[in-house]
Amino acid sequence: DQQVKQNSPSLSVQEGRISILNCDYTNSMFDYFLWYKKYPAEGPTFLISISSIKDKNEDGRFTVFLNKSAKHLSLHIVPSQPGDSAVYFCAASAGRDFGNEKLTFGTGTRLTIIP
Amino acid sequence: DVKVTQSSRYLVKRTGEKVFLECVQDMDHENMFWYRQDPGLGLRLIYFSYDVKMKEKGDIPEGYSVSREKKERFSLILESASTNQTSMYLCASSSRDATTFGSGTRLTVV
Repeated sequence: DQQVKQNSPSLSVQEGRISILNCDYTNSMFDYFLWYKKYPAEGPTFLISISSIKDKNEDGRFTVFLNKSAKHLSLHIVPSQPGDSAVYFCAASAGRDFGNEKLTFGTGTRLTIIP
Repeated sequence: DVKVTQSSRYLVKRTGEKVFLECVQDMDHENMFWYRQDPGLGLRLIYFSYDVKMKEKGDIPEGYSVSREKKERFSLILESASTNQTSMYLCASSSRDATTFGSGTRLTVV
């Protein structure tokens, strides 16, 4: 039972354009969402997060949007750069304010930026 | 710079062997986790620990056990390695603000 889904296994985007990665979830208890970036042979690194009390969070070129009614979040990268080529994982947790940092991950989307 | 260190980057073990994967963090975090990453399946939680000597099963604990004798160290044990345990294993530790991952151990069971 996949509670966090990333339906696009791969995405190719021209350098300088916008990359949009999508993520859907089914568990209504999730209240904190994160995006991680992973290069081959390295561990995932934290990119950006959003609490369920917000619908948008921005950090430089990265913006995460949350639509709670649709149980959907997206990561926008603008402008896309060659160094953004990596696998991106969406993750969610429930009860983070109460000390529960257990994360449920999606299956990942491989983003390729074309020079 | 905060760190989660996994003792081996690559391991090759034989079927039936007992395998130990070690993880150490220097951030004084209470929470530590073991995940495995497989193509098309993402990261799946094997076991986690919220305190020394405490452990909780994750989503796929079968065939694995863990040990947390000290706060900074969390070990994953494959009691009798099988070929379906060939995978990338990722250790993580967390505070409320962030979860930090190690670089991973690529385990191949032959």
